[in-house]
Amino acid sequence: GAVVSQHPSWVICKSGTSVKIECRSLDFQATTMFWYRQFPKQSLMLMATSNEGSKATYEQGVEKDKFLINHASLTLSTLTVTSAHPEDSSFYICSASRFSSGRATDTQYFGPGTRLTVL
Amino acid sequence: AQTVTQSQPEMSVQEAETVTLSCTYDTSESDYYLFWYKQPPSRQMILVIRQEAYKQQNATENRFSVNFQKAAKSFSLKISDSQLGDAAMYFCAYGPSAGKSTFGDGTTLTVKP
Repeated sequence: GAVVSQHPSWVICKSGTSVKIECRSLDFQATTMFWYRQFPKQSLMLMATSNEGSKATYEQGVEKDKFLINHASLTLSTLTVTSAHPEDSSFYICSASRFSSGRATDTQYFGPGTRLTVL
Repeated sequence: AQTVTQSQPEMSVQEAETVTLSCTYDTSESDYYLFWYKQPPSRQMILVIRQEAYKQQNATENRFSVNFQKAAKSFSLKISDSQLGDAAMYFCAYGPSAGKSTFGDGTTLTVKP
């Protein structure tokens, strides 16, 4: 159990276009999902926390108008990179916390990541 | 704010030997969890082991065990009988705090045949 999928696994787009990445919890309900960005050989950088039915909470320095997050259901969160530029090229990872007994649990389960390349 | 420090950017171990990865953290909270995640070349983050701070007993998962020293705020990972498939980047993490987790910078583990 506790499987998280991400789609697409990799995407190449032209500068100025928008890209949507989906994160799904396949076998559990996720009250909270997280979006991270990771550069090669580096740690995960939290971009935002997404709660079902409410606005995402963005970390300092992350442009909310550029990285649109929607958490429409207990199993789906999406990250849209708007007007993408080459500097947005990175590896994006989502994770989900399992919903249990009315509160989110502590453990995060990660999706396989999406490699974004902006030309 | 919580911080997690992994002082070993790289470690190597001979196959079948034992290796210990270090992690220290800083917090003023009393109730929290600590994790070790493995990120192989595929970049899929995999939960290796989880420790609840209020439990004194060290967590164990097969060949993976931790040495949790709460007073010293230390949380090291021991990998016994190392296998080639253990080669990966390992991240120590603390959470949740304000619903979020804090990750260390990672330790790249190389396993030599």
